[in-house]
Amino acid sequence: EVQLVESGGGLVQPGGSLRLSCAASGFTVSSNYMSWVRQAPGKGLEWVSVIYSGGSTYYADSVKGRFTISRDNSKNTLYLQMNSLRAEDTAVYYCARDGVVVGVAEYFQHWGQGTLVTVSS
Amino acid sequence: SYELTQPPSVSVSPGQTARITCSGDALPKQYAYWYQQKPGQAPVLVIYKDSERPSGIPERFSGSSSGTTVTLTISGVQAEDEADYYCQSADSSGGRVFGGGTKLTVL
Repeated sequence: EVQLVESGGGLVQPGGSLRLSCAASGFTVSSNYMSWVRQAPGKGLEWVSVIYSGGSTYYADSVKGRFTISRDNSKNTLYLQMNSLRAEDTAVYYCARDGVVVGVAEYFQHWGQGTLVTVSS
Repeated sequence: SYELTQPPSVSVSPGQTARITCSGDALPKQYAYWYQQKPGQAPVLVIYKDSERPSGIPERFSGSSSGTTVTLTISGVQAEDEADYYCQSADSSGGRVFGGGTKLTVL
């Protein structure tokens, strides 16, 4: 059974940093395309970042240069390093196992339960 | 990046058919995907590649595509179908785009 468990959320001051983790089971993270998706309180879904099985990474313009997606193959875990955090980064962050269509990560097949990040002074 | 447009809300009586639309200029070239999200829960994929249904999703959920509009249809709506529904597609630069979401109310 595929399971994704996020952790690392919390309260952080503007300009601060936080690292989110997503522990996977039931499949191998390094063989899959993995994404982070966020949802601000009361708002819709926003894709944040993806890491391909080959290591290529892509980011939404809103986080480019501030967030870094990575993985630890030995721990079967996905990460999101978030720097220079802003109030508008406040959201529930979900990790997801991507669905692939002709070699392109196109959708979100499995989701974790999410972890809340609050950026506030 | 481009936009996907959904109606903010749709209301339907139990047993009736709900149709939720999603419009976007790139949809004739890109597949659409649909997610159901209930309060306090993570989204769940209900339709992929415009009209395919993942295992475990009830047959009353179906998807279709016509030009720049895709439609999620829920036949014989049940109270448990009340949720937010989001359409999503891929863009040409490796990213993904979501619609704004539609709140389905079962009267």
